Amino acid sequence: EVQLLESGGGLVQPGGSLRLSCAASGFTFSNYAMNWVRQAPGEGLEWVSGITGSGDKTYYADSVKGRFTISRDNSKNTLFMQMNSLRADDTAVYYCAKVLSGWYVVPLDYWGQGTLVTVSS
Amino acid sequence: EIVLTQSPGTLSLSPGERATLSCRASQSVSGSFLAWYQQKPGQAPRLLFHGASNRATGIPDRFSGSGSGTDFTLTISRLEPEDFAVYYCQQCGSSPYTFGQGTKLDIK
Repeated sequence: EVQLLESGGGLVQPGGSLRLSCAASGFTFSNYAMNWVRQAPGEGLEWVSGITGSGDKTYYADSVKGRFTISRDNSKNTLFMQMNSLRADDTAVYYCAKVLSGWYVVPLDYWGQGTLVTVSS
Repeated sequence: EIVLTQSPGTLSLSPGERATLSCRASQSVSGSFLAWYQQKPGQAPRLLFHGASNRATGIPDRFSGSGSGTDFTLTISRLEPEDFAVYYCQQCGSSPYTFGQGTKLDIK
């Protein structure tokens, strides 16, 4: 059974940093691209970032480019998101999600339950 | 960046009725790489379709997806109580892999 478990969310001040983690199990992690998708309170889904299975290619939404860095440790089956220079509009539930097919970055067939990031003073 | 516009914003229907949801792209989605998701309150999204019309595992056949280029449609032939949720489209052809703003399907 595929499981994705996010951690690392919390309250952070504007301008601060946070590192999210996503522990994966139930599939061959290194064979699949992984993504972060966020959802602000009461709002829709926003794709944030993706990374290929090997980690050699990364992709970002314009809203986070230069501030967020996606990475992965295939030896530990874990996905990361380093978030710097956080702003109030980064407040959201952050989901970790797995690609359907190993050939692509999206679409996303398995999702974690999300971790809440709140940026506020 | 490809912008996806979903319509209507809210659709109010009764169980047993047919639902038609639209997703229009600001430019052609390459290879018809368009996905649909369903999200219920307090839950993570669930993949319904990929490649515009390929049903994901476990999705009932009352759901169908169609379209190409810039115009895509999700149809639910006969609504069941569990179908009332928010539906999102996502273009999967080129980064950034944007989502539409969602259509809320609620009970009339």
